[in-house]
Amino acid sequence: GQSLEQPSEVTAVEGAIVQINCTYQTSGFYGLSWYQQHDGGAPTFLSYNALDGLEETGRFSSFLSRSDSYGYLLLQELQMKDSASYFCAVPNAGKSTFGDGTTLTVKP
Amino acid sequence: NAGVMQNPRHLVRRRGQEARLRCSPMKGHSHVYWYRQLPEEGLKFMVYLQKENIIDESGMPKERFSAEFPKEGPSILRIQQVVRGDSAAYFCASSPGTEAGNTIYFGEGSWLTVV
Repeated sequence: GQSLEQPSEVTAVEGAIVQINCTYQTSGFYGLSWYQQHDGGAPTFLSYNALDGLEETGRFSSFLSRSDSYGYLLLQELQMKDSASYFCAVPNAGKSTFGDGTTLTVKP
Repeated sequence: NAGVMQNPRHLVRRRGQEARLRCSPMKGHSHVYWYRQLPEEGLKFMVYLQKENIIDESGMPKERFSAEFPKEGPSILRIQQVVRGDSAAYFCASSPGTEAGNTIYFGEGSWLTVV
């Protein structure tokens, strides 16, 4: 089976940097994805790591260490609009298994 | 360039009624997934379909729930004899294939409230 662990809540101030961790246990591993979901909205794709290392997309970066079964999402220069839930997910045979999500609150 | 379209966005049903949720995938996508999200929880996989075939329904409750993706028309998630515990957001997603790394794109969700 698949299971993913991530913190339930994180709080940070505008302009700061925040890291959201995700550890996983999977029977087969093809990569780690991250999604953002605002209250009442659809999850939207942020990034995907198939290989170890850091992937950077603007203010957001995602890191993967396959040997540690661990990844993180790094958000820099936080803005109020970044307040949302962030989910890590493992794709496998078409479907994806999601973590329970981390609620990020950005304060002024 | 429409994304994944779901309707209705909001649905209220009385206990015992049926709920039908529809999903049209993105253009060019032949793979459809349904997820359920309870308040304050993550997305739980329910079912994965391709045209006219159910590929994986391991997350679907055995009773009252069914899904289809006919040759023509949208995918439908059907919940019979709804109960209060069925109240949730139901998200449909689509992808062009199942290759590792294929992004899945979500619709805006259908919020079911059972009263």
